Amino acid sequence: DIQMTQSPSFLSASVGDRVTINCKASQNINKYLNWYQQKLGEAPKRLIYNTNNLQTGIPSRFSGSGSGTDYTLTISSLQPEDFATYFCLQHNSFPFTFGSGTKLEIK
Amino acid sequence: QVQLKESGPGLVQPSRTLSLTCTVSGFSLTSYGVSWVRQPPGKGLEWIAAIWSGGSTDYNSALKSRLSISRDTSKSQVLLKMNSLQTEDTAMYFCARGTKDWGQGVMVTVSS
Repeated sequence: DIQMTQSPSFLSASVGDRVTINCKASQNINKYLNWYQQKLGEAPKRLIYNTNNLQTGIPSRFSGSGSGTDYTLTISSLQPEDFATYFCLQHNSFPFTFGSGTKLEIK
Repeated sequence: QVQLKESGPGLVQPSRTLSLTCTVSGFSLTSYGVSWVRQPPGKGLEWIAAIWSGGSTDYNSALKSRLSISRDTSKSQVLLKMNSLQTEDTAMYFCARGTKDWGQGVMVTVSS
């Protein structure tokens, strides 16, 4: 199985800050990497698919980049509604595997 | 409009078998794959099984011996069975179409 190492686990930031979250795969996942936002009690919501494609309806302050084994989610200017938990998902090969999550908190 | 809705027993005794149903609308099971994903309270996500549009299946290797996924296309339902339940199987169970569309989940508690 492909292991996904996500960092940091916790991130404290302020409204307006630029933040980055990273995922590293244990092998090449060919850009089959998605990013999700999850709020308490809700299902995950896909933000970015296949590394850098913005899901319809998601604000452009969210962006993704990467290749091979290393991938990044960037939020360019944090808004109050962005404080949540973020997960990456590799879907290059089954079983698909998630990163362990990054909890983004208000500083 | 794509919708997925999970249903199940809520509370299951240890060592028993869990049966979950994902009822879908807005798409055909013969056109899209559906997966099950679970999340223990306060923890991360685990992809556990999938049934693809052609009917083939895949399972998480760590759980494979305990799992069975199937579908009833006439009812637009995907069924998940997990046997020999333990307390560690307590989790929110989600079904998902592809990697984009998710149901709201059903909480399953394993307890005597």
